Amino acid sequence: QVQLVQSGAEVKEPGASVTVSCEASGYTFTVYYIHWVRQAPGQGLEWMGRMSPYSGVTTYAQKFQGAVTMTRDTSISTAYMELRRLTSDDTAVYYCARGPPDSTRVFYFDYWGQGTLVTVSS
Amino acid sequence: QIVVTQEPSFSVSPGGTVTLTCALSSGSVSTNSYPSWYQQTPGRAPRTLIYNTSIRSSGVPDRFSGSVVGNKAALTITGAQADDDSDYYCVLFMGRGIWVFGGGTKLTVL
Repeated sequence: QVQLVQSGAEVKEPGASVTVSCEASGYTFTVYYIHWVRQAPGQGLEWMGRMSPYSGVTTYAQKFQGAVTMTRDTSISTAYMELRRLTSDDTAVYYCARGPPDSTRVFYFDYWGQGTLVTVSS
Repeated sequence: QIVVTQEPSFSVSPGGTVTLTCALSSGSVSTNSYPSWYQQTPGRAPRTLIYNTSIRSSGVPDRFSGSVVGNKAALTITGAQADDDSDYYCVLFMGRGIWVFGGGTKLTVL
Protein backbone atom coordinates (compact mmCIF):
# COMPACT_ATOMS: atom_id res chain seq x y z
CA GLN A 1 0.00 0.00 0.00
CA VAL A 2 1.07 3.56 -0.65
CA GLN A 3 2.75 5.21 2.33
CA LEU A 4 4.50 8.52 2.89
CA VAL A 5 6.46 8.53 6.13
CA GLN A 6 7.90 11.82 7.32
CA SER A 7 10.75 12.60 9.65
CA GLY A 8 10.19 13.55 13.26
CA ALA A 9 9.46 16.83 14.96
CA GLU A 10 12.05 19.59 14.93
CA VAL A 11 12.78 22.58 17.14
CA LYS A 12 14.82 25.33 15.55
CA GLU A 13 16.01 28.79 16.49
CA PRO A 14 15.05 31.83 14.43
CA GLY A 15 17.32 32.25 11.43
CA ALA A 16 18.14 28.57 11.20
CA SER A 17 17.16 26.11 8.48
CA VAL A 18 15.17 22.89 8.71
CA THR A 19 14.96 19.89 6.42
CA VAL A 20 11.96 17.56 6.51
CA SER A 21 12.07 14.21 4.73
CA CYS A 22 9.28 12.16 3.20
CA GLU A 23 9.98 8.49 2.43
CA ALA A 24 7.65 6.95 -0.13
CA SER A 25 6.78 3.28 -0.48
CA GLY A 26 4.22 1.11 -2.22
CA TYR A 27 4.51 2.73 -5.65
CA THR A 28 7.05 3.89 -8.22
CA PHE A 29 8.50 7.02 -6.62
CA THR A 30 9.47 8.75 -9.85
CA VAL A 31 5.99 8.68 -11.39
CA TYR A 32 4.11 10.96 -9.00
CA TYR A 33 4.73 14.51 -7.87
CA ILE A 34 5.54 15.22 -4.23
CA HIS A 35 3.84 18.32 -2.89
CA TRP A 36 4.54 20.09 0.38
CA VAL A 37 1.71 21.69 2.37
CA ARG A 38 1.96 23.39 5.73
CA GLN A 39 -0.49 24.27 8.47
CA ALA A 40 0.28 26.82 11.17
CA PRO A 41 -1.36 26.28 14.57
CA GLY A 42 -5.10 26.91 14.31
CA GLN A 43 -4.78 27.95 10.67
CA GLY A 44 -5.61 26.49 7.28
CA LEU A 45 -3.63 24.48 4.78
CA GLU A 46 -1.07 26.30 2.63
CA TRP A 47 0.48 24.86 -0.54
CA MET A 48 4.23 25.45 -0.65
CA GLY A 49 5.30 23.80 -3.85
CA ARG A 50 5.83 20.56 -5.70
CA MET A 51 8.67 18.53 -7.13
CA SER A 52 8.85 15.93 -9.85
CA PRO A 53 10.92 13.06 -8.45
CA TYR A 54 11.60 11.95 -12.04
CA SER A 55 13.23 15.16 -13.23
CA GLY A 56 13.82 17.11 -10.04
CA VAL A 57 11.90 20.04 -11.54
CA THR A 58 10.24 22.16 -8.88
CA THR A 59 7.47 24.74 -8.74
CA TYR A 60 7.21 26.90 -5.66
CA ALA A 61 4.45 29.16 -4.42
CA GLN A 62 5.53 32.76 -4.85
CA LYS A 63 5.54 33.28 -1.09
CA PHE A 64 8.25 30.64 -0.59
CA GLN A 65 10.51 31.36 -3.54
CA GLY A 66 14.03 31.94 -2.30
CA ALA A 67 13.29 30.37 1.07
CA VAL A 68 12.46 26.77 0.20
CA THR A 69 14.25 24.05 -1.73
CA MET A 70 12.69 20.69 -2.61
CA THR A 71 14.95 17.83 -3.58
CA ARG A 72 14.91 14.06 -3.74
CA ASP A 73 17.05 10.96 -3.55
CA THR A 74 15.54 8.44 -5.93
CA SER A 75 17.81 5.65 -4.66
CA ILE A 76 15.91 5.66 -1.37
CA SER A 77 12.55 7.03 -2.63
CA THR A 78 12.78 10.03 -0.37
CA ALA A 79 11.84 13.65 -0.92
CA TYR A 80 13.19 16.55 1.11
CA MET A 81 11.96 20.04 1.87
CA GLU A 82 14.44 22.57 3.21
CA LEU A 83 13.15 25.85 4.61
CA ARG A 84 15.70 28.56 5.39
CA ARG A 85 15.80 31.72 7.48
CA LEU A 86 13.14 30.44 9.83
CA THR A 87 10.96 32.82 11.83
CA SER A 88 8.24 32.15 14.37
CA ASP A 89 5.73 32.41 11.51
CA ASP A 90 7.18 29.17 10.12
CA THR A 91 6.03 27.21 13.17
CA ALA A 92 3.66 24.71 11.58
CA VAL A 93 2.96 21.11 10.73
CA TYR A 94 4.51 20.31 7.37
CA TYR A 95 2.91 17.62 5.21
CA CYS A 96 4.13 15.91 2.09
CA ALA A 97 1.46 14.67 -0.29
CA ARG A 98 1.48 12.68 -3.50
CA GLY A 99 0.00 14.00 -6.70
CA PRO A 100 -0.56 12.29 -10.07
CA PRO A 101 1.41 13.53 -13.06
CA ASP A 102 -0.22 16.32 -15.07
CA SER A 103 -0.45 14.07 -18.10
CA THR A 104 -3.20 12.07 -16.37
CA ARG A 105 -5.38 15.22 -16.18
CA VAL A 106 -6.14 14.16 -12.62
CA PHE A 107 -5.27 16.93 -10.23
CA TYR A 108 -5.31 16.30 -6.51
CA PHE A 109 -3.35 15.04 -3.53
CA ASP A 110 -4.19 11.39 -3.13
CA TYR A 111 -1.95 10.30 -0.26
CA TRP A 112 -0.58 12.31 2.62
CA GLY A 113 2.28 11.92 5.04
CA GLN A 114 1.57 12.00 8.75
CA GLY A 115 2.94 15.51 9.16
CA THR A 116 6.04 16.92 10.84
CA LEU A 117 5.81 19.62 13.47
CA VAL A 118 8.45 22.29 13.13
CA THR A 119 8.67 24.70 16.03
CA VAL A 120 10.70 27.89 15.69
CA SER A 121 11.61 29.33 19.04
CA SER A 122 14.52 30.96 20.76
CA GLN B 1 -2.42 37.51 -5.67
CA ILE B 2 -4.88 34.68 -6.01
CA VAL B 3 -7.21 34.22 -3.06
CA VAL B 4 -9.58 31.27 -2.70
CA THR B 5 -12.49 31.91 -0.39
CA GLN B 6 -14.57 29.47 1.64
CA GLU B 7 -17.22 30.09 4.28
CA PRO B 8 -15.36 30.24 7.62
CA SER B 9 -18.01 28.20 9.37
CA PHE B 10 -21.26 26.39 8.76
CA SER B 11 -23.61 24.30 10.83
CA VAL B 12 -25.96 21.51 9.86
CA SER B 13 -28.35 19.29 11.75
CA PRO B 14 -27.81 15.54 11.72
CA GLY B 15 -29.51 14.15 8.63
CA GLY B 16 -29.53 17.53 6.97
CA THR B 17 -27.93 18.74 3.76
CA VAL B 18 -25.24 21.37 3.51
CA THR B 19 -23.34 22.88 0.59
CA LEU B 20 -19.91 24.39 1.15
CA THR B 21 -18.47 26.62 -1.56
CA CYS B 22 -15.08 27.61 -2.92
CA ALA B 23 -14.67 30.86 -4.85
CA LEU B 24 -11.89 32.77 -6.58
CA SER B 25 -11.13 36.36 -5.63
CA SER B 26 -11.08 37.26 -9.29
CA GLY B 27 -12.71 35.17 -11.91
CA SER B 28 -14.78 32.02 -11.82
CA VAL B 29 -14.04 28.53 -10.67
CA SER B 30 -14.61 26.07 -13.47
CA THR B 31 -13.87 22.42 -14.05
CA ASN B 32 -10.58 23.60 -15.55
CA SER B 33 -9.54 24.56 -12.02
CA TYR B 34 -9.89 20.86 -11.13
CA PRO B 35 -11.28 21.60 -7.66
CA SER B 36 -10.63 19.00 -5.00
CA TRP B 37 -11.88 18.76 -1.43
CA TYR B 38 -10.29 17.49 1.78
CA GLN B 39 -11.64 16.74 5.22
CA GLN B 40 -9.50 17.28 8.30
CA THR B 41 -10.05 16.59 11.98
CA PRO B 42 -7.78 18.09 14.65
CA GLY B 43 -4.35 16.51 14.84
CA ARG B 44 -4.83 14.43 11.70
CA ALA B 45 -3.59 14.66 8.15
CA PRO B 46 -6.20 15.71 5.59
CA ARG B 47 -8.34 13.04 3.98
CA THR B 48 -9.11 13.29 0.29
CA LEU B 49 -12.84 13.43 -0.48
CA ILE B 50 -13.41 14.71 -4.02
CA TYR B 51 -11.16 15.43 -7.00
CA ASN B 52 -11.54 16.76 -10.52
CA THR B 53 -14.68 18.59 -9.38
CA SER B 54 -16.90 15.59 -8.71
CA ILE B 55 -15.02 12.28 -8.48
CA ARG B 56 -15.19 10.67 -5.07
CA SER B 57 -11.94 9.29 -3.73
CA SER B 58 -11.83 5.61 -2.87
CA GLY B 59 -13.87 4.74 0.19
CA VAL B 60 -15.65 8.08 0.44
CA PRO B 61 -19.38 7.68 1.17
CA ASP B 62 -21.78 8.78 -1.55
CA ARG B 63 -23.33 11.37 0.76
CA PHE B 64 -20.38 13.55 -0.31
CA SER B 65 -20.67 15.06 -3.78
CA GLY B 66 -18.85 17.77 -5.67
CA SER B 67 -19.89 20.15 -8.42
CA VAL B 68 -19.43 23.59 -9.91
CA VAL B 69 -22.42 25.81 -9.22
CA GLY B 70 -22.42 29.17 -10.93
CA ASN B 71 -18.88 30.46 -10.56
CA LYS B 72 -17.95 28.42 -7.49
CA ALA B 73 -16.92 24.88 -6.66
CA ALA B 74 -19.26 23.19 -4.23
CA LEU B 75 -19.13 20.29 -1.80
CA THR B 76 -22.51 18.96 -0.77
CA ILE B 77 -23.07 16.62 2.15
CA THR B 78 -26.47 14.94 2.00
CA GLY B 79 -27.63 13.32 5.22
CA ALA B 80 -24.93 14.74 7.46
CA GLN B 81 -23.63 12.52 10.22
CA ALA B 82 -21.95 13.36 13.50
CA ASP B 83 -18.53 12.31 12.26
CA ASP B 84 -18.79 14.82 9.41
CA ASP B 85 -18.06 17.46 12.06
CA SER B 86 -14.66 18.55 10.63
CA ASP B 87 -12.77 21.18 8.73
CA TYR B 88 -13.14 21.13 4.96
CA TYR B 89 -10.66 22.57 2.48
CA CYS B 90 -10.86 23.09 -1.24
CA VAL B 91 -7.82 23.49 -3.44
CA LEU B 92 -7.67 24.75 -7.02
CA PHE B 93 -5.11 24.01 -9.70
CA MET B 94 -4.18 27.36 -11.23
CA GLY B 95 -2.03 25.99 -14.03
CA ARG B 96 1.76 26.17 -14.45
CA GLY B 97 2.09 23.81 -11.50
CA ILE B 98 0.55 26.23 -9.02
CA TRP B 99 -2.10 25.24 -6.45
CA VAL B 100 -4.01 27.41 -4.01
CA PHE B 101 -5.96 26.27 -0.95
CA GLY B 102 -9.07 27.93 0.33
CA GLY B 103 -9.11 29.12 3.92
CA GLY B 104 -11.24 26.19 5.03
CA THR B 105 -14.73 25.79 6.46
CA LYS B 106 -15.36 24.55 9.98
CA LEU B 107 -18.50 22.42 9.77
CA THR B 108 -20.44 21.77 12.94
CA VAL B 109 -23.02 19.00 13.02
CA LEU B 110 -25.52 19.61 15.80
